[in-house]
Amino acid sequence: DTAVSQTPKYLVTQMGNDKSIKCEQNLGHDTMYWYKQDSKKFLKIMFSYNNKELIINETVPNRFSPKSPDKAHLNLHINSLELGDSAVYFCASSRKTSGVSSYNEQFFGPGTRLTVL
Amino acid sequence: GQQVMQIPQYQHVQEGEDFTTYCNSSTTLSNIQWYKQRPGGHPVFLIQLVKSGEVKKQKRLTFQFGEAKKNSSLHITATQTTDVGTYFCAGSGAGSYQLTFGKGTKLSVIP
Repeated sequence: DTAVSQTPKYLVTQMGNDKSIKCEQNLGHDTMYWYKQDSKKFLKIMFSYNNKELIINETVPNRFSPKSPDKAHLNLHINSLELGDSAVYFCASSRKTSGVSSYNEQFFGPGTRLTVL
Repeated sequence: GQQVMQIPQYQHVQEGEDFTTYCNSSTTLSNIQWYKQRPGGHPVFLIQLVKSGEVKKQKRLTFQFGEAKKNSSLHITATQTTDVGTYFCAGSGAGSYQLTFGKGTKLSVIP
């Protein structure tokens, strides 16, 4: 069973289009994330949701809109795609913890390689 | 904001040589995690360090967390071709589970 799954794996589209990437985790985790990894392999957090509530929203163009219908799913919708959006997008999840001494590893999905032409 | 610097960016080693990557944070960290990403793959969790001065080992891998909890290192003894990939450190501040990733060290192992 795949712990964190993303669809599609590859996405090739024209500039100006709108597209969505879906993410699902079956680990029972409360927290989910979207990361962007550019061509230089830099991993940058974009969004984080905890129990369907947005908790991290880094400086990301408002063309990017995350949606969490339930705590097992976090989808990413991108409007008006631009060339600079080409990257690998990773979804991840972690177990929410309480108490300052508990921290959790993040489980990453396989990634979605987005190419904007 | 929190910044995590990682060096070197690239490292080429002969198989059997040792390898070390270093991570430095601009602020004190509550914990630091290490991930490995194989070429074409996704980041996979290796370990988490929480205590000041902590040292953990996983077979040929040794992880250290500095006394001031602002730096960390990963050392691989006698590298093998299976060690190839990019190693990322990622730290989080007090009371936060947001990880700030370093830029990674890409390790190449020459057989």
